[in-house]
Amino acid sequence: AQSVTQLGSHVSVSEGALVLLRCNYSSSVPPYLFWYVQYPNQGLQLLLKYTTGATLVKGINGFEAEFKKSETSFHLTKPSAHMSDAAEYFCAVSDPGRDDKIIFGKGTRLHILP
Amino acid sequence: NAGVTQTPKFRILKIGQSMTLQCTQDMNHNYMYWYRQDPGMGLKLIYYSVGAGITDKGEVPNGYNVSRSTTEDFPLRLELAAPSQTSVYFCASKSTAATNEKLFFGSGTQLSVL
Repeated sequence: AQSVTQLGSHVSVSEGALVLLRCNYSSSVPPYLFWYVQYPNQGLQLLLKYTTGATLVKGINGFEAEFKKSETSFHLTKPSAHMSDAAEYFCAVSDPGRDDKIIFGKGTRLHILP
Repeated sequence: NAGVTQTPKFRILKIGQSMTLQCTQDMNHNYMYWYRQDPGMGLKLIYYSVGAGITDKGEVPNGYNVSRSTTEDFPLRLELAAPSQTSVYFCASKSTAATNEKLFFGSGTQLSVL
């Protein structure tokens, strides 16, 4: 069965500092991987996704993530944090053979310190 | 340009009451989902539908029912509300069966059962 683990329910970084949000997955087949962001009082929006091909994926708002099969990881990074990045971030995984199951991690709330 | 619309945004129920959470999308998406979001627990799939007339259980279906009479609408019904159903509920949709397709989320319904 697929699962997603996000390390750290809360992460705080200073404005301008590197953002690193961790995600590890377990899957019996090469998965599709996603990062979604949820701003306060809103639904989730897709930041980026990995399906096949290039393992470094660029998303919106300067975020990127790298698929590392050997480490079963899909960590999200941004070189320089902005106050507007404060939100909750969810890693998600789906099985290419199953169109119905999209499993979300528990989420990481990112706090930006001035 | 509405996307996925959920109503109501907030609701307080008494134990044992029933209610229907409405979800409609105007993108002609076949795939629709109901998730609940609890603090620190991420999103859990309640029910999903792959098209009009077809529904199936997700991870946490107990205490809920759904129907899908049209492509646009996917209401979620709580028959006998319980405090454990206090949560934020999100409806989502996607266009195709492809598991690399992104989900479009509504803005959520915050439900309290007292």
